[in-house]
Amino acid sequence: KAGVTQTPRYLIKTRGQQVTLSCSPISGHRSVSWYQQTPGQGLQFLFEYFSETQRNKGNFPGRFSGRQFSNSRSEMNVSTLELGDSALYLCASSPGLPYTGELFFGEGSRLTVL
Amino acid sequence: GNSVTQMEGPVTLSEEAFLTINCTYTATGYPSLFWYVQYPGEGLQLLLKATKADDKGSNKGFEATYRKETTSFHLEKGSVQVSDSAVYFCALTYDANTGGFKTIFGAGTRLFVKA
Repeated sequence: KAGVTQTPRYLIKTRGQQVTLSCSPISGHRSVSWYQQTPGQGLQFLFEYFSETQRNKGNFPGRFSGRQFSNSRSEMNVSTLELGDSALYLCASSPGLPYTGELFFGEGSRLTVL
Repeated sequence: GNSVTQMEGPVTLSEEAFLTINCTYTATGYPSLFWYVQYPGEGLQLLLKATKADDKGSNKGFEATYRKETTSFHLEKGSVQVSDSAVYFCALTYDANTGGFKTIFGAGTRLFVKA
């Protein structure tokens, strides 16, 4: 069974630009969560989608947005990039139902903002 | 609110030494507890879990027991190997009352094991 796939793996942007990251969950998983990982703040929850609906959202500004498609694939977008947005963005999928709590992570997309 | 606190690293051990990484939590209700491991250049992967008080999770020689009375979920391994060098994250998952669940992570503890 293929794991969680995130693209692109690495990208470099400049301040003010926007970026879109993609996540393909494990087949059959309906829940997708996004996390930002930085050395200073650790792992911070961005949002969670289940069956195309955002169920939970973390404490990030509106520049961070996401969506989920009918095939459970998800994208997140960051607009008007700031230097502080440089981070590893991790996507995790889970079956959603029945609830197990276990998250299956991709390898991440490493974003560098110059 | 809910939170997870784990010991700061890095932790440096010699091969075959005993490992303990402390983790305590604050939560309302009955969260599930997890340990995840992150190897260099990779995402996190589940190491073990416990879903109710007194449950013991175990995997690959690692163990952790869900202690509600001390709100702890310490990770232990009797004999570490060089290949165990990684960052370990304690996490809890709780009902967010939004139809879904939220997972919050500790800050992570980096483990170095020397040959």
